[in-house]
Amino acid sequence: GENVEQHPSTLSVQEGDSAVIKCTYSDSASNYFPWYKQELGKRPQLIIDIRSNVGEKKDQRIAVTLNKTAKHFSLHITETQPEDSAVYFCAASGAGGGNKLTFGTGTQLKVEL
Amino acid sequence: KAGVTQTPRYLIKTRGQQVTLSCSPISGHRSVSWYQQTPGQGLQFLFEYFSETQRNKGNFPGRFSGRQFSNSRSEMNVSTLELGDSALYLCASSSSGGNIQYFGAGTRLSVL
Repeated sequence: GENVEQHPSTLSVQEGDSAVIKCTYSDSASNYFPWYKQELGKRPQLIIDIRSNVGEKKDQRIAVTLNKTAKHFSLHITETQPEDSAVYFCAASGAGGGNKLTFGTGTQLKVEL
Repeated sequence: KAGVTQTPRYLIKTRGQQVTLSCSPISGHRSVSWYQQTPGQGLQFLFEYFSETQRNKGNFPGRFSGRQFSNSRSEMNVSTLELGDSALYLCASSSSGGNIQYFGAGTRLSVL
């Protein structure tokens, strides 16, 4: 089955700096790659997603890039703010049909003042 | 539109008991997926239901089961509870033909 690896597990940046989180997936049939943000005690919230026919997508301070050949995708957050502090999960789906999401292990992002 | 609603929010059970959790998807959504979240294992897929049929299944023992009703509401059941079943159980719904999954707030299950 699909396997998703995520790095780093923790990331600490200064406010205003950029943050990058990287994921790799194993199943080349996966075609949908969402990123979720989960604040402490809250539900996961979708922040951005990308499909396999697109190499890059941007939404204000957040961007995602996808390299299908290498089976890598990355989340980029620019001009980080304290409210960006949370756990971020990457995921992959589409292999085998349906909406099964295989998640990475999460990255605890801390934005320091 | 109301979001995904899960009930109850908290549950305390003892080993050997069984439990039923409920999930009401966003109106119009026909796909409901269930996930288990623990500090050690992260977010793991349990199963997905679409139009009352199980469409995908994760690698959990048969003690974990689910069903979906004609109004798309879904329930999951865990029988013969074990201490290791303590977790946050999340459900997510998505529209027909759509990939985006919207999560509920979860049910936190504690097994004593």
